[in-house]
Amino acid sequence: GAGVSQSPSNKVTEKGKDVELRCDPISGHTALYWYRQSLGQGLEFLIYFQGNSAPDKSGLPSDRFSAERTGGSVSTLTIQRTQQEDSAVYLCASSPIAGSYEQYFGPGTRLTVT
Amino acid sequence: GIQVEQSPPDLILQEGANSTLRCNFSDSVNNLQWFHQNPWGQLINLFYIPSGTKQNGRLSATTVATERYSLLYISSSQTTDSGVYFCAVVLTDKLIFGTGTRLQVFP
Repeated sequence: GAGVSQSPSNKVTEKGKDVELRCDPISGHTALYWYRQSLGQGLEFLIYFQGNSAPDKSGLPSDRFSAERTGGSVSTLTIQRTQQEDSAVYLCASSPIAGSYEQYFGPGTRLTVT
Repeated sequence: GIQVEQSPPDLILQEGANSTLRCNFSDSVNNLQWFHQNPWGQLINLFYIPSGTKQNGRLSATTVATERYSLLYISSSQTTDSGVYFCAVVLTDKLIFGTGTRLQVFP
């Protein structure tokens, strides 16, 4: 079946603009996660959704970052007033939860803030 | 929080060689994942392994949860094995990733 998909694959934006990144999880997966991988850095957890609710927002780096999930499926990560340090690859993952917490990752969105 | 460390940080092999990558974690865990990040950045699931040993082709993994480590074995390495290998502790609400091992396999 189809894996996790993300769009756009690449995004170049000017400093100060807002961006939206989209994630389509594997059908039937109830949990959805966002991570960030900065150049030369490790993988950093951002936020987790169980269904449409986000019980853990502790990983969001600032109040410019927000995320929502609707219908227990698609999720959108929004970054307002982008800064150069926001440049990174943003990765989305989903997990079935029922019986397994194994996470499956999408191809990522490469964000460049100029 | 849980700390996850991997060694070695970098590994260079000639095609056909075998290797062992190590993942140490600072606290008891219920589950662990191994990933291969290919040169295009895609994270590919290798193993979901709470304890014991699993094998998939030329790759196998062993987790000894009581001693807080996991090992990934790559046998008869190929150039397509190049990339970064990550282990990650699996929690109910997130993965905590290790620092990664960058593997380069030359023909």
